[in-house]
Amino acid sequence: RKEVEQDPGPFNVPEGATVAFNCTYSNSASQSFFWYRQDCRKEPKLLMSVYSSGNEDGRFTAQLNRASQYISLLIRDSKLSDSATYLCVVNSGYNFNKFYFGSGTKLNVKP
Amino acid sequence: SQTIHQWPATLVQPVGSPLSLECTVEGTSNPNLYWYRQAAGRGLQLLFYSVGIGQISSEVPQNLSASRPQDRQFILSSKKLLLSDSGFYLCAWKGVQGNYEQYFGPGTRLTVT
Repeated sequence: RKEVEQDPGPFNVPEGATVAFNCTYSNSASQSFFWYRQDCRKEPKLLMSVYSSGNEDGRFTAQLNRASQYISLLIRDSKLSDSATYLCVVNSGYNFNKFYFGSGTKLNVKP
Repeated sequence: SQTIHQWPATLVQPVGSPLSLECTVEGTSNPNLYWYRQAAGRGLQLLFYSVGIGQISSEVPQNLSASRPQDRQFILSSKKLLLSDSGFYLCAWKGVQGNYEQYFGPGTRLTVT
């Protein structure tokens, strides 16, 4: 079983739509969770950390569900510029230097 | 503010040739440093990490090696490249205190022919 699993998509949505991605992780000891954004042929860029209480940054909301071992990312009022691949990242829990990356969920926002 | 540099940006090398990729970080001291590889259409795979000068942890057995000769310098090497070494190589840093967010350099795209 993979450490982190994501639906690869693509999610094709119109501008202004709300879209949600989920990511499941296998290690219940994991303590740190993140969403990164990766544009084509570019490096991943940190979008937001995911806290136990959930957190919001503008149009982006991240949630953590420890009981079911998944994290989610909600994007409201999608913009064309949101088109990218979104990577879910989880640390190992036993080694704070070891991070597991999902393969990413591709989002295409259409005009 | 912190910045991270990688070079070269792209590289085409024949099978069996050596490799040296360099990563440097500015604006922070004693960072944790990481090398990842991303194969086409795949997720990032952790190759090596370092918590200090001369301290290297290897995550995946392979024909690659890493070194950290200075606090803010991390080098990825190979004596003989394989076709399977092709990919997007990313260096990242993480502070040793506070949260555990990693920040990536611009990457090196390696094609082994």
